[in-house]
Amino acid sequence: EVQLVESGGGLVQPGGSLRLSCAASGFTFSIYWMSWVRQAPGKGLDWVANIKHDGSEEYYVDSVKGRFTISRDNAKNSLYLQMNSLRAEDTAVYYCARPVAGGSYDFWGQGNLVTVSS
Amino acid sequence: ENVLTQSPGTLSLSPGERATLSCRASQSVSSNYLAWYQQKPGQTPRLLIYGASTRATGIPDRFSGSGSGTDFTLTINRLEPEDFAVYYCQQYATSPFTFGPGTKVDIK
Repeated sequence: EVQLVESGGGLVQPGGSLRLSCAASGFTFSIYWMSWVRQAPGKGLDWVANIKHDGSEEYYVDSVKGRFTISRDNAKNSLYLQMNSLRAEDTAVYYCARPVAGGSYDFWGQGNLVTVSS
Repeated sequence: ENVLTQSPGTLSLSPGERATLSCRASQSVSSNYLAWYQQKPGQTPRLLIYGASTRATGIPDRFSGSGSGTDFTLTINRLEPEDFAVYYCQQYATSPFTFGPGTKVDIK
């Protein structure tokens, strides 16, 4: 059974940092691209970042470029999102998700709430 | 950025009726890299359709997708009580991947 389990969210002050983790199981993690997608409270879905299966390529939405870093450790079947210089508008539930068939997401983690507030 | 617009914003229907949801892209979506998701309150999104018209694993055949280029449609035949939810389209042909704002299907 495919499982994606996120951890690391919480409350952080504006300008602060937070690192999200996503533990993957039930599939061969090392051959899949992986993504982070977020959803602000009561709002729609927003793609945040992608990383290639071997970590050699990364892509970001413009609003997080230079502040967020996606990474992975295939030996630990884990995906990460390092978030720096956090802003109030980064407040959202963050999902790790597995893209298939070019980039649609067939499996999602349970979501992890990040709240940026003073 | 390929901006997706969904209409209507809310669709009020009764169980057993047909729902027709529209997703329009500001630029052509190459290779029909267009997906549809269902999300219920407090739940994670669920992939329904990918490649514009291919049902994901385990999705009932009352859900169907169609369209190409910039205009796509999700049709739900014979709405079941569990189908009342928010539906999002997503294009994954070009970066940044983008989602539409959603269509809420609620009970009339």
